[in-house]
Amino acid sequence: AQSVTQPDIHITVSEGASLELRCNYSYGATPYLFWYVQSPGQGLQLLLKYFSGDTLVQGIKGFEAEFKRSQSSFNLRKPSVHWSDAAEYFCAVGPSYGGSQGNLIFGKGTKLSVKP
Amino acid sequence: DAGVIQSPRHEVTEMGQEVTLRCKPISGHNSLFWYRQTMMRGLELLIYFNNNVPIDDSGMPEDRFSAKMPNASFSTLKIQPSEPRDSAVYFCASSLGLQGNQPQHFGDGTRLSIL
Repeated sequence: AQSVTQPDIHITVSEGASLELRCNYSYGATPYLFWYVQSPGQGLQLLLKYFSGDTLVQGIKGFEAEFKRSQSSFNLRKPSVHWSDAAEYFCAVGPSYGGSQGNLIFGKGTKLSVKP
Repeated sequence: DAGVIQSPRHEVTEMGQEVTLRCKPISGHNSLFWYRQTMMRGLELLIYFNNNVPIDDSGMPEDRFSAKMPNASFSTLKIQPSEPRDSAVYFCASSLGLQGNQPQHFGDGTRLSIL
């Protein structure tokens, strides 16, 4: 069955420290991959996406993610976290060629807290 | 650019009342999605439309839920009668199309509380 796993429910990092949020997926073929961020009281905002090509993708707000086919992972990283990055982060997986956004699968989310 | 606009932002009502949530997608987007978010279940897709036509409503929990999209710039999600277990945040999202490479853009949601 198709699934997305974000193993960490809650992560706390110090401001200025590096960050890595994990995302693993189970899918029949190479999927399209997304990371979204949700700030309190707001909707989900697209951070970055991977469709094909270079496996390291850059997104907004200084985030990047690396697609590793062998590990079925798409981890999100940031070299130096800012207090404003405190939010919930969602990994999403959808079918590639010929697939539909209606089949997008979201992970349960990882809540990020930032210590001053 | 205006994003996806949802109204109301908050709704508190008593059990048994009819609730109508509204969504205006981004202009030019022809696909629209309704989601429900709860602590227990996370983000659930309820229904989605393409070119104003419902494509898949298998996520709608019960017949008490209905959704319409009368035109390209407006959609409603209605709950009648409402129950306390319907309390959740409801999101609307739109995209340029249903293709997998067309990311969804989300509104800020409607926080619904049924007493």
